[in-house]
Order: sequence, then C-alpha cells, then structure tokens
Amino acid sequence: AQSVSQHNHHVILSEAASLELGCNYSYGGTVNLFWYVQYPGQHLQLLLKYFSGDPLVKGIKGFEAEFIKSKFSFNLRKPSVQWSDTAEYFCAVNLREYGNKLVFGAGTILRVKS
Amino acid sequence: DTAVSQTPKYLVTQMGNDKSIKCEQNLGHDTMYWYKQDSKKFLKIMFSYNNKELIINETVPNRFSPKSPDKAHLNLHINSLELGDSAVYFCASSPLPASGPDYEQYFGPGTRLTVT
Repeated sequence: AQSVSQHNHHVILSEAASLELGCNYSYGGTVNLFWYVQYPGQHLQLLLKYFSGDPLVKGIKGFEAEFIKSKFSFNLRKPSVQWSDTAEYFCAVNLREYGNKLVFGAGTILRVKS
Repeated sequence: DTAVSQTPKYLVTQMGNDKSIKCEQNLGHDTMYWYKQDSKKFLKIMFSYNNKELIINETVPNRFSPKSPDKAHLNLHINSLELGDSAVYFCASSPLPASGPDYEQYFGPGTRLTVT
C-alpha cells in the first residue's frame, strides 16, 4: 500500500536554528510531492510542490525541499527558523494513477522557541 | 474572497443523529475532495468527485454519503453518527490536469465535528 513516512513527530528548535524535516514515500509510480503547513487553528496551506525538473524546489517563507528519487525522499528545509514557523507540517504524495489521491504523512509538529 | 468554504465550522451533535457538512469552491475547479483528520492529526482522503462523478471512494462506512449537486459543491452527509466520527473534516478542490505545474489541492478551513 502507498504510504508516506515523516520521521519526526515533534521538533523543538530555537529561533535561527536550521530545520530539516524528513519525508519518505513508498510508491513506484508517477508522483507529485507536496509540503503543506497548518498553523494553529488554521487550515492547510501549500508550502511548496514538486512536479518535474529541478529536484530542489523553493516555496514560500524561505522553505525549500529536495526530491531524491533514488531514496524516495522529499525532505523539507529552512536555514533559519522563526517563531512564526511554529505549526504542523505535512508531507503528501499525489498518486495520479489513483485518481489524484493525496496521501499524507502523519505530520510533524514544529515548535520554535523565541 | 474565500476559495474553498465549509459550513458549519463547528458541529456538536449526539450519537445516532444525521448531519450534513457543506462545501463550496469558487475557483472553477473540476475536482473536489473530502478528508478526515482524526484526533492524532492524521489526514486521510475519504472521497473525491470530478465534475459530479465519484472518482475516489476509500474504505469509509456507508453511513457517509457525499453528494455533488454541481461541480462547485460537494456535501457530506453522515447518518447515525458515532463517537468515532468525531474529527475535523476538510474539503478540498483542485484543477485539472493533475500533471500540470499549477496543480495543487486547495483546502477549506475544516469542520470540527464532535459527537457526544
């Protein structure tokens, strides 16, 4: 079955620290990859997405992610986090052959201490 | 302008009742979805419709029935509510084709359903 694994469920960082959130997926077909963010009390918002081309994609608010096909990974990074980055982050894989089914990871709660 | 809207935002009801959640999108998208986010924040797709046609129907109890009167609306009706149905339900929509770089799913604000 298709699945998405996020390695860390809770991450606590101090402001200005660097961030890397791991994401691996298990699916051998064509995928599109996404990172969504859910700020406290808000709905899901798209951070960035990968479709094709350059495996290093840049998103909003200084986030970036790298698609490594051989490792089935799509890790999210930010060089210097801010208190306002406190949120829950979801990695997701879009399975085109399954009617564009979006399969989410379990989420990573990031808390940034000021 | 609200792109994907849901009503109500909060819904508290008793076991055994029947309730509906409404979703509307004004983005002109062809495809709409329902997701369930459980108490552990795990998000899972329930249904998707493309132009009023059911595309995805995950393993969901048949007490849940989606209804799409037109491509801008996808409502979720739940019969005989159970305690385990308590969750946040998110509606989403997306354009086609899914292979294009503009493709993403846009999410609504969620409906927090509490069954007592």
